Amino acid sequence: GQQLNQSPQSMFIQEGEDVSMNCTSSSIFNTWLWYKQDPGEGPVLLIALYKAGELTSNGRLTAQFGITRKDSFLNISASIPSDVGIYFCAGLKDAGTYKYIFGTGTRLKVLA
Amino acid sequence: DSGVTQTPKHLITATGQRVTLRCSPRSGDLSVYWYQQSLDQGLQFLIQYYNGEERAKGNILERFSAQQFPDLHSELNLSSLELGDSALYFCASSGGGIHEQFFGPGTRLTVL
Repeated sequence: GQQLNQSPQSMFIQEGEDVSMNCTSSSIFNTWLWYKQDPGEGPVLLIALYKAGELTSNGRLTAQFGITRKDSFLNISASIPSDVGIYFCAGLKDAGTYKYIFGTGTRLKVLA
Repeated sequence: DSGVTQTPKHLITATGQRVTLRCSPRSGDLSVYWYQQSLDQGLQFLIQYYNGEERAKGNILERFSAQQFPDLHSELNLSSLELGDSALYFCASSGGGIHEQFFGPGTRLTVL
């Protein structure tokens, strides 16, 4: 099935460092969602973006809806060990169906 | 806790068998979505129901079917199971005009 490209695929960072990841597509999207998934658990919604250029924060997390509407970015500031997990983006092309396409995921590992 | 419940949490069965996975959406949510996540893979959209009616279809095999009942809970039926059907199956729900999907804890299906 179709998936969005996420980059990087995985990353190791030191506690306290800032993290950036992105999600790109050749198609235009109307909505972007960012999720975090812990092993064996369901994804948890972090941030929702609805307009091109929109910048939204949730604590140490900040996400942006790309101006071209073909990409989105997630930043985590001052990472902590509990930030470990897989981060997924999800894009919605057709608002009428609520049919989201999910990214391939960025696996984050934080070294204490 | 997202408010979405899924049962059972784990299911082990044999090839050729049929199983039913159950999902109860968040209170008030009319839309239910089913996703499949194979090992270390992203989420693949299977099917969406809105208030009892099928709204969108993704990469759902013909051996799989779903329905949403008047009380809004949903069931995903998987038949003639194959080894490759082993995966995590997630249900998500969303409400009204809100695009944000909230995921349940998942059902881990193992086909032996």
